Amino acid sequence: KAGVTQTPRYLIKTRGQQVTLSCSPISGHRSVSWYQQTPGQGLQFLFEYFSETQRNKGNFPGRFSGRQFSNSRSEMNVSTLELGDSALYLCASSPDRGRDTEAFFGQGTRLTVV
Amino acid sequence: GNSVTQMEGPVTLSEEAFLTINCTYTATGYPSLFWYVQYPGEGLQLLLKATKADDKGSNKGFEATYRKETTSFHLEKGSVQVSDSAVYFCALSRNQFYFGTGTSLTVIP
Repeated sequence: KAGVTQTPRYLIKTRGQQVTLSCSPISGHRSVSWYQQTPGQGLQFLFEYFSETQRNKGNFPGRFSGRQFSNSRSEMNVSTLELGDSALYLCASSPDRGRDTEAFFGQGTRLTVV
Repeated sequence: GNSVTQMEGPVTLSEEAFLTINCTYTATGYPSLFWYVQYPGEGLQLLLKATKADDKGSNKGFEATYRKETTSFHLEKGSVQVSDSAVYFCALSRNQFYFGTGTSLTVIP
């Protein structure tokens, strides 16, 4: 069974630009969550999608948005990039997001904003 | 609120040494608890989990016991190997995962 696939692996963008990251979950998984990982803040929850609906959202500005398609693939968009958005963005998929359910993580997209 | 506190790293051990990484949590209700491991350049991989008080999760020689009375979920391994060098994250699950800051472990031969 293929794992969680994130594309691209690396991105370099300029301040003020926008960027779209993609995540393909494990086949059959309907929940996709996104996390931002930085050395200073650690792993922070961005949002979760389940069956094309945003089910939960973290404390990030509206510049961060996402969506999920009918095949459960998800995209995350960051508009008006800032230097502080440089981070590793991790996508995680689960069959559902029950309390006991583990999440399977992709390798991440490393975004550098210059 | 929900939060996880992990012992600060980095931790450096010799091969075959005993490992403990402390983790305590604050949570509303009764969360599930997890340990994830991250190798360089990789995403997070589940190491073990426990879903209720007194449960012990175990995998690859690692163990952790869900202690409700001390709100702890310490990770232990009796004899570490060089291949265990990685960053370890303690996490609790409610409607999302709440992660600790991570503990970097280096095992030297």
